[in-house]
Amino acid sequence: TQLLEQSPQFLSIQEGENLTVYCNSSSVFSSLQWYRQEPGEGPVLLVTVVTGGEVKKLKRLTFQFGDARKDSSLHITAAQPGDTGLYLCAGGRRGQNFVFGPGTRLSVLP
Amino acid sequence: NAGVTQTPKFQVLKTGQSMTLQCAQDMNHEYMSWYRQDPGMGLRLIHYSVGAGITDQGEVPNGYNVSRSTTEDFPLRLLSAAPSQTSVYFCASSYGDRGSNQPQHFGDGTRLSIL
Repeated sequence: TQLLEQSPQFLSIQEGENLTVYCNSSSVFSSLQWYRQEPGEGPVLLVTVVTGGEVKKLKRLTFQFGDARKDSSLHITAAQPGDTGLYLCAGGRRGQNFVFGPGTRLSVLP
Repeated sequence: NAGVTQTPKFQVLKTGQSMTLQCAQDMNHEYMSWYRQDPGMGLRLIHYSVGAGITDQGEVPNGYNVSRSTTEDFPLRLLSAAPSQTSVYFCASSYGDRGSNQPQHFGDGTRLSIL
């Protein structure tokens, strides 16, 4: 059983479209991290959110941590082919190892 | 500016063979970990270490051993390879303790096939 669920599992869109991917859990986390992984490489951290309701922006990417700290979303505005990759969320609690979701594989077509 | 270095990048083994996956980091991070990545499963923790001389099991430790004799190195050993261990293996390191808000820095992975 996955502690963290991500949806959708796959997403294929045209360049310029907007999209939102979700990371959900029945458990509370003290922090939530989002990573992007490109083929043949390891994941790279995009953002860490730590406060319920927190919103962080990274250029065209907007991350939100749920009020109850059980879920998070990633919204991409005007997607570009360079956004293509596997998006992973990871939940953390003090003194415990991070747990990763299964990922959302995004393909942005030119 | 090496970060986390994993070797080899690719490996093919026969069932029953043993091998060691190497991982080295140059950031003086105390926390290091090994994950395996399988389709639809995300990253699953195999073993981790919070400092030199200290290791512990993660979610899927069976069939793997680790040691941490220095801060820099954290090798993963497959004792007797099985087809179920075919996967992509990632080593990661981070500053701070388990569950801290610090980013995990990942290597580029070792793609392992067991025939």
